[in-house]
Amino acid sequence: RKEVEQDPGPFNVPEGATVAFNCTYSNSASQSFFWYRQDCRKEPKLLMSVYSSGNEDGRFTAQLNRASQYISLLIRDSKLSDSATYLCVVILSGGSYIPTFGRGTSLIVHP
Amino acid sequence: DTGVSQDPRHKITKRGQNVTFRCDPISEHNRLYWYRQTLGQGPEFLTYFQNEAQLEKSRLLSDRFSAERPKGSFSTLEIQRTEQGDSAMYLCASSSSGDGSYEQYFGPGTRLTVT
Repeated sequence: RKEVEQDPGPFNVPEGATVAFNCTYSNSASQSFFWYRQDCRKEPKLLMSVYSSGNEDGRFTAQLNRASQYISLLIRDSKLSDSATYLCVVILSGGSYIPTFGRGTSLIVHP
Repeated sequence: DTGVSQDPRHKITKRGQNVTFRCDPISEHNRLYWYRQTLGQGPEFLTYFQNEAQLEKSRLLSDRFSAERPKGSFSTLEIQRTEQGDSAMYLCASSSSGDGSYEQYFGPGTRLTVT
């Protein structure tokens, strides 16, 4: 089993739709979690950190479920400009500090 | 521009040649990371530095790869005797351990093509 798994998609949704992605991780000692956005042939850009209590930034909501070992990203009222690949990142606690990225989930928002 | 910068942005080389890439992190960041990314995959961790100390190296990093950060500022990644399988985007990122957030900020990457 991979350390961090994401459904590669693509997720095809119309403008205005709500879409959610999950990212599962295998190591229960994982401590820090993030979502990044990557446009085609560009570098990843930090979208948001994921806190234990969940957090929201405008149309974006991130949640952590430690019991089931997954994080989620919810995008409300999708815009054409949300089309991108969404990468999750998981970081273990204590000692070895190696960020592990998922392969990304592709989102296509169409008119 | 105070973001992460990388040089060159593109590199085409012949198999067997050596190449060196440079990364300049955000100035107040003490951690610097190197990743490799191929099409359809997420970035794969290669190595990271805290200040000038190289703290972790991935098993992916063969003996042909070496990274340095001599003064705790910019870093270089060298690949010796390049192979076609080394063709990828090489990404650099930096973060600060001081604020405890571990949020990383990426440079634009160096796209390597080995012919």
